[in-house]
Amino acid sequence: AQSVTQPDIHITVSEGASLELRCNYSYGATPYLFWYVQSPGQGLQLLLKYFSGDTLVQGIKGFEAEFKRSQSSFNLRKPSVHWSDAAEYFCAVGAQDYGQNFVFGPGTRLSVLP
Amino acid sequence: DAMVIQNPRYQVTQFGKPVTLSCSQTLNHNVMYWYQQKSSQAPKLLFHYYDKDFNNEADTPDNFQSRRPNTSFCFLDIRSPGLGDAAMYLCATDQGGGNQPQHFGDGTRLSIL
Repeated sequence: AQSVTQPDIHITVSEGASLELRCNYSYGATPYLFWYVQSPGQGLQLLLKYFSGDTLVQGIKGFEAEFKRSQSSFNLRKPSVHWSDAAEYFCAVGAQDYGQNFVFGPGTRLSVLP
Repeated sequence: DAMVIQNPRYQVTQFGKPVTLSCSQTLNHNVMYWYQQKSSQAPKLLFHYYDKDFNNEADTPDNFQSRRPNTSFCFLDIRSPGLGDAAMYLCATDQGGGNQPQHFGDGTRLSIL
């Protein structure tokens, strides 16, 4: 079964600074990887996804993520953070075979200083 | 716009009083999921339907039940809510298969008095 870790529980950055949120996964085959964002009191919104091909994927809201097979990582980045980016971010991994469920990481809470 | 809709957004019930949360989708997706999310935690899968095929997670309490009368609707029934069941309940859908992203509703915040 697959698993996901997000080493940083809480990150604080200043508005305009760059951001990197870490995600590591464990899965025996090529994973399907996702990043979701959740604002307080809201559902989860898909930021981006990786299935295959180019290892650098672009998402919405100026986010991108890079898949590194050798490091089992799928880190999320943004060059310049906006105050509205303050939220909870979840990395998730899907499995190739139906019956192995989607697995979420524990989440990283992002705070943005003015 | 096609979407996942959860009603109500906020639900208050009394300890032990049955409550039903609803979810509808216009995406025509095969799979519908129910998650429980407590504060500062990741969503925890309770169960899901693949079409009419119900799949319960091993650690989902018997107190939680679900119904899917048709493709568009799915309900979460909590037969006798306890204080520990206060949480955000999220509904999600996808087309089936691990390579499909899940589409989430905005959730129902359940409070227990």
